[in-house]
Amino acid sequence: GESVGLHLPTLSVQEGDNSIINCAYSNSASDYFIWYKQESGKGPQFIIDIRSNMDKRQGQRVTVLLNKTVKHLSLQIAATQPGDSAVYFCAERFIYNQGGKLIFGQGTELSVKP
Amino acid sequence: DTGVSQDPRHKITKRGQNVTFRCDPISEHNRLYWYRQTLGQGPEFLTYFQNEAQLEKSRLLSDRFSAERPKGSFSTLEIQRTEQGDSAMYLCASSLAWAGQGGDGEQFFGPGTRLTVL
Repeated sequence: GESVGLHLPTLSVQEGDNSIINCAYSNSASDYFIWYKQESGKGPQFIIDIRSNMDKRQGQRVTVLLNKTVKHLSLQIAATQPGDSAVYFCAERFIYNQGGKLIFGQGTELSVKP
Repeated sequence: DTGVSQDPRHKITKRGQNVTFRCDPISEHNRLYWYRQTLGQGPEFLTYFQNEAQLEKSRLLSDRFSAERPKGSFSTLEIQRTEQGDSAMYLCASSLAWAGQGGDGEQFFGPGTRLTVL
């Protein structure tokens, strides 16, 4: 399944399928991007990050793709599991600025059907 | 548990009352951030500290809000004369900034304090 994170906030996928969550970031000068997972009643949890000098980074079952030309970020989750059900946020910041404040996107709710 | 902790987890108050929240960061982290999150939205930056110095405040942080980190460890966020629009989840995060370059490491978030103003 695929979604445009800021425009279609809910994504429903079947267990075992791959999920793709998209995000359009706002500042072309941002040089560091992070995906967070937030479960109900909890704070955001770091999933994976990528610097602006990269276009792809892989983690365990997750891959982040960065397209700076169109200011687009995506999170791919392989073999989605029920435990992946949560809201996913992309965030951007300047890695070497005076402070590291994060600017978050709206988020996409991922629902995994067993 | 060596993660970021916040207290209380939930607070219900009446409009006009003052409330104070506490955040205990990861012990070796020198930066501490406060964010506010409303339902269905991503967290919004409020303010941050490096050690005990408050280095940046968002325009979202009205005069009714004040944050402190007196000894460079835990932090408090106080809201005076609460309004219904203050109802939100208040999140704290901490990170370790490396010296000399202004860089910042990964931010670890606490579970948040959910404020409801009646």
